[in-house]
Amino acid sequence: DGGITQSPKYLFRKEGQNVTLSCEQNLNHDAMYWYRQDPGQGLRLIYYSQIVNDFQKGDIAEGYSVSREKKESFPLTVTSAQKNPTAFYLCASSTGTALYEQYFGPGTRLTVT
Amino acid sequence: GDSVTQMEGPVTLSEEAFLTINCTYTATGYPSLFWYVQYPGEGLQLLLKATKADDKGSNKGFEATYRKETTSFHLEKGSVQVSDSAVYFCALSDRGQGGKLIFGQGTELSVKP
Repeated sequence: DGGITQSPKYLFRKEGQNVTLSCEQNLNHDAMYWYRQDPGQGLRLIYYSQIVNDFQKGDIAEGYSVSREKKESFPLTVTSAQKNPTAFYLCASSTGTALYEQYFGPGTRLTVT
Repeated sequence: GDSVTQMEGPVTLSEEAFLTINCTYTATGYPSLFWYVQYPGEGLQLLLKATKADDKGSNKGFEATYRKETTSFHLEKGSVQVSDSAVYFCALSDRGQGGKLIFGQGTELSVKP
């Protein structure tokens, strides 16, 4: 089955700790994206990558970092510099052109206390 | 910059009622338009899309027509079911932006039996 997997589904961390969220796709898509969703709000773009070894900041990149060493994988690190890290994080992938939709993973709910 | 505006929710309907969720957009180029649906605790799923003016996207009884003259992409369904209860997001992807999506804030739909 082709798709996007995110792990874990729920993640709990103490304040001051970095945490890495996993995102893997087997759709052979070039582009991958990370979004943050807060209760009752839309999705905000954190980072995106259109090809391996390249990525760009989205609208809210501060306090986050990413890597794209393999086409299939786009991990997101939430650093201790992120002031309000508790949120629902969604990963997506696409062919990278505007004509085609993005496919989303099931999300990771991060709670930092 | 590009933007998407959706009608505010929550929208509460009785089963078999007619649904309209308004969506208007601002874009400098020629965007593709999408409707995504999100069930509680899950990622987003593509509901339908349209890639050029006057295209009609349809899926599972939902329809939306790309209206360039009114810059709109309103979602409609003739008879909603309880299982349609979810959050609906309108989004656009502009061709100069490498597949990036810009989302509206989402509209929560609750269908009562």
